[in-house]
Amino acid sequence: GENVEQHPSTLSVQEGDSAVIKCTYSDSASNYFPWYKQELGKRPQLIIDIRSNVGEKKDQRIAVTLNKTAKHFSLHITETQPEDSAVYFCAATTTAGNKLTFGGGTRVLVKP
Amino acid sequence: NAGVTQTPKFQVLKTGQSMTLQCAQDMNHEYMSWYRQDPGMGLRLIHYSVGAGITDQGEVPNGYNVSRSTTEDFPLRLLSAAPSQTSVYFCASSYSSGTSGRGEQFFGPGTRLTVL
Repeated sequence: GENVEQHPSTLSVQEGDSAVIKCTYSDSASNYFPWYKQELGKRPQLIIDIRSNVGEKKDQRIAVTLNKTAKHFSLHITETQPEDSAVYFCAATTTAGNKLTFGGGTRVLVKP
Repeated sequence: NAGVTQTPKFQVLKTGQSMTLQCAQDMNHEYMSWYRQDPGMGLRLIHYSVGAGITDQGEVPNGYNVSRSTTEDFPLRLLSAAPSQTSVYFCASSYSSGTSGRGEQFFGPGTRLTVL
């Protein structure tokens, strides 16, 4: 089955700096890669996703890049703000059943 | 719309007890899933369903049963609770698969389960 690895497990940045989280996946058939944000004690929420026919996608301060050859994808957050502090999860799926495999998560702390 | 709802929010069980975690959605989503989240770990898929009457196993199905008799409801049953099942359980639903363009999974608020 699919295996998703996520790095780093924790990330501390100064407010205004950029944050980058990287994920690798094992199944070359994976074709949908969402990113979820989970604030403390709350449910995960989708922040951005990308499909295999696209190399990059942006939404205001967040962007995701995908390298299918290398089987890795990354989340970029620019001009970080304290409200960006949370745990971020990447995920991948190949099947029409939306059977997501999640990475282990990255705890991001934005220091004011 | 209430979105995805889960009950109960908290539950404490003794080893060997059984119980059902409830999940319901009012968005007419075909796809529903159950995940468990252990401290410091990501979400692991337990079971999922692509429509009423259809279920399949995820990554960690042992000790859990599911059924999908209606589009709205997707209960998760713990047959004989064990301390290893102490976790936070999330139910999620989506309109369709991620590959179709409408695959955003909406999560419920979670159920925090402790097995003594």
